Amino acid sequence: DGGITQSPKYLFRKEGQNVTLSCEQNLNHDAMYWYRQDPGQGLRLIYYSQIVNDFQKGDIAEGYSVSREKKESFPLTVTSAQKNPTAFYLCASSTDSVSAETQYFGPGTRLLVL
Amino acid sequence: RKEVEQDPGPFNVPEGATVAFNCTYSNSASQSFFWYRQDCRKEPKLLMSVYSSGNEDGRFTAQLNRASQYISLLIRDSKLSDSATYLCVLSDDYGQNFVFGPGTRLSVLP
Repeated sequence: DGGITQSPKYLFRKEGQNVTLSCEQNLNHDAMYWYRQDPGQGLRLIYYSQIVNDFQKGDIAEGYSVSREKKESFPLTVTSAQKNPTAFYLCASSTDSVSAETQYFGPGTRLLVL
Repeated sequence: RKEVEQDPGPFNVPEGATVAFNCTYSNSASQSFFWYRQDCRKEPKLLMSVYSSGNEDGRFTAQLNRASQYISLLIRDSKLSDSATYLCVLSDDYGQNFVFGPGTRLSVLP
């Protein structure tokens, strides 16, 4: 089955620790995105990538980093510089930008700070 | 002004009711429009795209008014399973920037 997977479903971070959230898709989509959602709020864009080996900052990139070494993978690292990381993290993908196809989401990762 | 604004909600309606949600946007360059639904603690899922001529999918009808920069979603004969948060989503001409509204929560009551 084609789709987007995220792991882990829940992640606990200790203060000062970097953690990495996984996002994999087998939809052959070019574009991938990371969003953060806080309780009762909309999605905010962290980073996005239109093509392998290229990515752009979104609205709230500070304290996060990404890589796009493979088309199907777009991991997000939450660094110790992100002071308020507790949130629901959603990864999405879409076909190439010209077609303006909509986005499909993975099941999300909930990050909690200990 | 926020890029995308939605009815604040929550909407609490009885089963069988008709309910309408509105969404306004500020960027006139927006080209593509969608409604997503998001269940509690789950990812958003595409409900329907919104076309200029308006479109219908079963009990759901979406309308777009470019001149006034708003889109709407009408749900007829509400079911308990329609209870969710409904997100208004736009993208620009290049499909690169997707902007999400804050969502409107709907609770359909027995």
